[in-house]
Amino acid sequence: DSGVTQTPKHLITATGQRVTLRCSPRSGDLSVYWYQQSLDQGLQFLIQYYNGEERAKGNILERFSAQQFPDLHSELNLSSLELGDSALYFCASTRGSPNSPLHFGNGTRLTVT
Amino acid sequence: AQSVTQPDIHITVSEGASLELRCNYSYGATPYLFWYVQSPGQGLQLLLKYFSGDTLVQGIKGFEAEFKRSQSSFNLRKPSVHWSDAAEYFCAVGGTGGGNKLTFGTGTQLKVEL
Repeated sequence: DSGVTQTPKHLITATGQRVTLRCSPRSGDLSVYWYQQSLDQGLQFLIQYYNGEERAKGNILERFSAQQFPDLHSELNLSSLELGDSALYFCASTRGSPNSPLHFGNGTRLTVT
Repeated sequence: AQSVTQPDIHITVSEGASLELRCNYSYGATPYLFWYVQSPGQGLQLLLKYFSGDTLVQGIKGFEAEFKRSQSSFNLRKPSVHWSDAAEYFCAVGGTGGGNKLTFGTGTQLKVEL
């Protein structure tokens, strides 16, 4: 158990809808990362937050947004969903120092129908 | 830009045989290198990491990896594979230039024959 909690585990929704994925980092971790894993794109970095502030952005679509709250949990919001957004979405957390490894949650599997 | 290449998409080995999974990286500064393992339906679990110092690093579950700067490689090895090692393995690179943002390879799916 990595200590990173992601909810829900599975999400099935229709095209055009909006969903929110939630992540609770390990106790004491200040930094949260979101990754998308799909068969064709592999593991893609989406966005990073550190202590409530956006720190780095990767291949995140404009339809997607995220935030980190004062209690350090994070939410990833996906809107105007398309079939191609179906993927496994991982959250990871670290203490925040450059050599801290990422600790991953078990992911949320999103299926867009 | 940082990148990772895992040239083997699938590898099949017999239980008890040795294993080497290849990883080549591209990074403009001092790299931090990681190997993660993902079992079906699970998140990624850290096997080992290299930051500096001894180029041969030991990890969990009997895995080790060797950093070779001249070859830009960080290959993962295990002397004797167990059936429970069947999973997908990801190599990743990060570093001070990119903070903790890790760039992952496309993964190598390991199948273990009994």
